[in-house]
Amino acid sequence: NAGVTQTPKFQVLKTGQSMTLQCAQDMNHNSMYWYRQDPGMGLRLIYYSASEGTTDKGEVPNGYNVSRLNKREFSLRLESAAPSQTSVYFCASSEEYRNTEAFFGQGTRLTVV
Amino acid sequence: ILNVEQSPQSLHVQEGDSTNFTCSFPSSNFYALHWYRWETAKSPEALFVMTLNGDEKKKGRISATLNTKEGYSYLYIKGSQPEDSATYLCAVNDYKLSFGAGTTVTVRA
Repeated sequence: NAGVTQTPKFQVLKTGQSMTLQCAQDMNHNSMYWYRQDPGMGLRLIYYSASEGTTDKGEVPNGYNVSRLNKREFSLRLESAAPSQTSVYFCASSEEYRNTEAFFGQGTRLTVV
Repeated sequence: ILNVEQSPQSLHVQEGDSTNFTCSFPSSNFYALHWYRWETAKSPEALFVMTLNGDEKKKGRISATLNTKEGYSYLYIKGSQPEDSATYLCAVNDYKLSFGAGTTVTVRA
């Protein structure tokens, strides 16, 4: 019973490098989300996908791109990493985009040096 | 982006005491109010999802109420225990799920 799986768990990047954070859910959920967590700021929404085939910007989308590869997978790409993107990233999914609880992955701790 | 505010930012409570804290949100375009419990080094886990004005939900010693007309929800912890120490997040649905910054609860034994 995996739920939401994120990879990698930890990553160190140099400024300017690119990388993709992977997220997959096995609950047949329609909606998926990417958040970043910074001290004192709770969870801020980067991008979300209300249903397969759609993606939309959240609160802090600059510097990121996403792909909803299929119903299971929602990836987050940093094209040119910056130190300001040092954060803990959480992927989440929910059955629908409203009224249903979200399930979270274990998080990816990313450091950009 | 929905402006979801939680207060206080943190609180300390003695074991056995009860406590409560607030989530406020814009009352327009409201679909649902979520509460999550987030323990250190873990991922957030859902406590409640509430949709109707006047909703009240309970799970063990934790309960929540919802007032959609005035745009607030309360979370209550009765008889706090050390294992209740966590950050409690509220979130509001419109087409996405927007979180507040959380209330961090520390229960002192």
